[in-house]
Amino acid sequence: GESVGLHLPTLSVQEGDNSIINCAYSNSASDYFIWYKQESGKGPQFIIDIRSNMDKRQGQRVTVLLNKTVKHLSLQIAATQPGDSAVYFCAENPPKSQGNLIFGKGTKLSVKP
Amino acid sequence: DGGITQSPKYLFRKEGQNVTLSCEQNLNHDAMYWYRQDPGQGLRLIYYSQIVNDFQKGDIAEGYSVSREKKESFPLTVTSAQKNPTAFYLCASSPGVGPGLEQYFGPGTRLTVT
Repeated sequence: GESVGLHLPTLSVQEGDNSIINCAYSNSASDYFIWYKQESGKGPQFIIDIRSNMDKRQGQRVTVLLNKTVKHLSLQIAATQPGDSAVYFCAENPPKSQGNLIFGKGTKLSVKP
Repeated sequence: DGGITQSPKYLFRKEGQNVTLSCEQNLNHDAMYWYRQDPGQGLRLIYYSQIVNDFQKGDIAEGYSVSREKKESFPLTVTSAQKNPTAFYLCASSPGVGPGLEQYFGPGTRLTVT
């Protein structure tokens, strides 16, 4: 598979536990944020997004938390499954960026059965 | 199925040759993007296009060229001027430009230049 996870921060969790993946973003004026999941050898897949006027948003088994004070974003995955093993990226939409996203380097999540 | 297709999945070229990577979308999206991904790094923007017949350089456009003659197609040419072309290339599209519009990604093309 692809080596996109090489040298990335790694989070290792036991199957069934909750996972928390963190991301520090760069621009305090960014108004939109996305979490992507990338499995080995594949393109990134949208998980969940959040606008800057919110501090929490929930999806199916996932929750995104936004702390604008410290420019921090987190992704919580409940009851982590082996299929959740992937690299997770956060992305931010800074102002005047014409919709272009800035991506973080990613965190590799490994789920132990 | 609606989506973004990239072909081929793996591509091998000799140094000094130009190579064109294909990206097609049937989502009727206005905006399309090309990214490069290297191990341990985030996605870096090469070129983007907000509308047909128009495109702009991203952060690492040197050694690359694009065209946008049709809404559904945004091919990327990696020229011999690109010093480190071996990488994983990702194409994406979005409905338009602006906040709140997620980008949808294709499966990627792994280019190896020797």
